[in-house]
Amino acid sequence: GESVGLHLPTLSVQEGDNSIINCAYSNSASDYFIWYKQESGKGPQFIIDIRSNMDKRQGQRVTVLLNKTVKHLSLQIAATQPGDSAVYFCAENAFSGGYNKLIFGAGTRLAVHP
Amino acid sequence: DVKVTQSSRYLVKRTGEKVFLECVQDMDHENMFWYRQDPGLGLRLIYFSYDVKMKEKGDIPEGYSVSREKKERFSLILESASTNQTSMYLCASSLWTGGAGTEAFFGQGTRLTVV
Repeated sequence: GESVGLHLPTLSVQEGDNSIINCAYSNSASDYFIWYKQESGKGPQFIIDIRSNMDKRQGQRVTVLLNKTVKHLSLQIAATQPGDSAVYFCAENAFSGGYNKLIFGAGTRLAVHP
Repeated sequence: DVKVTQSSRYLVKRTGEKVFLECVQDMDHENMFWYRQDPGLGLRLIYFSYDVKMKEKGDIPEGYSVSREKKERFSLILESASTNQTSMYLCASSLWTGGAGTEAFFGQGTRLTVV
């Protein structure tokens, strides 16, 4: 029979509302986290980062929250705009064997409706 | 601005062909990475390199090899392309920071179709 593909979770919001995208990470030793935005047909672009010695960091219209107790990361977008429609990835930095590697989550699609 | 350039946006290759994906960065970054991206699976690391002529396996290296002869260039090689290697391939680069994480800068991606 037909195989079922993996589907991205989708968050649908109205233009002007606030968006919250969540991410669970795997390694309690990870010390650095990034949110990337990927628009259709483009590579991922950096949005905001946070180190493990912080629990909150703000940028322009975006805020990242880090809860190390439950290994959870969230991205908040204020006053969401149609241009925010994209796939959002969280990434954690794993340092092992002397090398830094970014490990990515599966992504969340944000759909902004007028 | 940091620029990571992948040589092709779209490629169509036949099963069994040897395929080269090229990536060049202009920021003198030590680290370079190749990821593949498939729907619902996020970005999975194939190989990375932290210096010229150095390479390390990522999470899914089977069926791939890499070459880094110059600091600015990192090539991904599919020795004998198969249909399950149809995917989006993303190259990235970052500074060597000696342990502290730092952002990676991505190219625009190469969508490879193996028929």
